[in-house]
Amino acid sequence: KAGVTQTPRYLIKTRGQQVTLSCSPISGHRSVSWYQQTPGQGLQFLFEYFSETQRNKGNFPGRFSGRQFSNSRSEMNVSTLELGDSALYLCASSLNRDRGNSPLHFGNGTRLTVT
Amino acid sequence: AQTVTQSQPEMSVQEAETVTLSCTYDTSESDYYLFWYKQPPSRQMILVIRQEAYKQQNATENRFSVNFQKAAKSFSLKISDSQLGDAAMYFCAYRRSSGNTPLVFGKGTRLSVIA
Repeated sequence: KAGVTQTPRYLIKTRGQQVTLSCSPISGHRSVSWYQQTPGQGLQFLFEYFSETQRNKGNFPGRFSGRQFSNSRSEMNVSTLELGDSALYLCASSLNRDRGNSPLHFGNGTRLTVT
Repeated sequence: AQTVTQSQPEMSVQEAETVTLSCTYDTSESDYYLFWYKQPPSRQMILVIRQEAYKQQNATENRFSVNFQKAAKSFSLKISDSQLGDAAMYFCAYRRSSGNTPLVFGKGTRLSVIA
């Protein structure tokens, strides 16, 4: 079974631009979560989607948005990029969103650099 | 809000020796799950071990075991017979058992394995 696939692996953007990151979950997984990882703040939860609906959102500004398609693939978008948005963005999928022990399976992440 | 604290930013261990990584958490919930994830240089977060709070028995996965002290809200990871491939960032994480809540991560411990 293929794992969680994130594209692209690396991205370099300029301040003020926007960016879209993609995540394909493990087949059969309907929940997709996004996390931002930085050296200073660690791993911070961005949002989670289940069956095309956003079910949970972290404490990030409105410039961060996401969506999920009917095939469970998810995208996140960051508009008006700032230098502080430079981070590793991790996507994770899970089978059952309502059970705390449903483990998250992570992708390799997208390394975003904003210059 | 739940918090997870890893007080050791870095640790090192000799190959074949045993090392223990510490984790404490704060929650008012009685039912929850705790996890240890490993993040090697490939960046993919890999689930190492998980513990259900209502189970008193400590979880074990091959060379990895935990010491779960619910009253003390402590969840340490013991790695026995350390191998070079164990070198990575290790993250402790917490998740409520009910409802749709995200994983809350600690800041991580970087483990080096010395040959």
